[in-house]
Amino acid sequence: SQTIHQWPATLVQPVGSPLSLECTVEGTSNPNLYWYRQAAGRGLQLLFYSVGIGQISSEVPQNLSASRPQDRQFILSSKKLLLSDSGFYLCACATGLDTEAFFGQGTRLTVV
Amino acid sequence: EDQVTQSPEALRLQEGESSSLNCSYTVSGLRGLFWYRQDPGKGPEFLFTLYSAGEEKEKERLKATLTKKESFLHITAPKPEDSATYLCAVPGISGSARQLTFGSGTQLTVLP
Repeated sequence: SQTIHQWPATLVQPVGSPLSLECTVEGTSNPNLYWYRQAAGRGLQLLFYSVGIGQISSEVPQNLSASRPQDRQFILSSKKLLLSDSGFYLCACATGLDTEAFFGQGTRLTVV
Repeated sequence: EDQVTQSPEALRLQEGESSSLNCSYTVSGLRGLFWYRQDPGKGPEFLFTLYSAGEEKEKERLKATLTKKESFLHITAPKPEDSATYLCAVPGISGSARQLTFGSGTQLTVLP
């Protein structure tokens, strides 16, 4: 079964600073990869998804970008963080488009 | 657009007091329904997949069932360690993405 490694677990960054969150997957090849953001007490909002190396789709306009340089590596980035970027970021992996997704442990980002 | 609604938003039970959580959905062609458990500060943990009306899945004190319009997560004789937020999700199309659409979750607290 898949294992999703996500780091760091917590991060406090000043407004205007850059961001890089990394996610790596073990136990599967050519997975679909996702970045979600979860606001307190709310459901998960899809930010980016990728079906292959270099293939990134974005669902919401935002201050963030994503990249997939390797099959099992997914990176979430920002050049300049905003206060509104604070949240709980989750990386997820699925073997198909309609299959269950498995999640990493998340990164709690606080922009100050 | 696909929609998932969970109720209640929060539920407090005494240890041993059985109850059910509800997940109602609106999708154009159900291709599965997934249940997750999420502990505070952690990523969602996959519990069950249900594919067709009438299907049931069990794991310890949890049993998930599916009808054509909703799913229930039955918790029998819960223990304090069952306290968590339970999320349901359906695969579908939202915007341009084939993605999981999540409900906002039910926060379950089991009191000793």
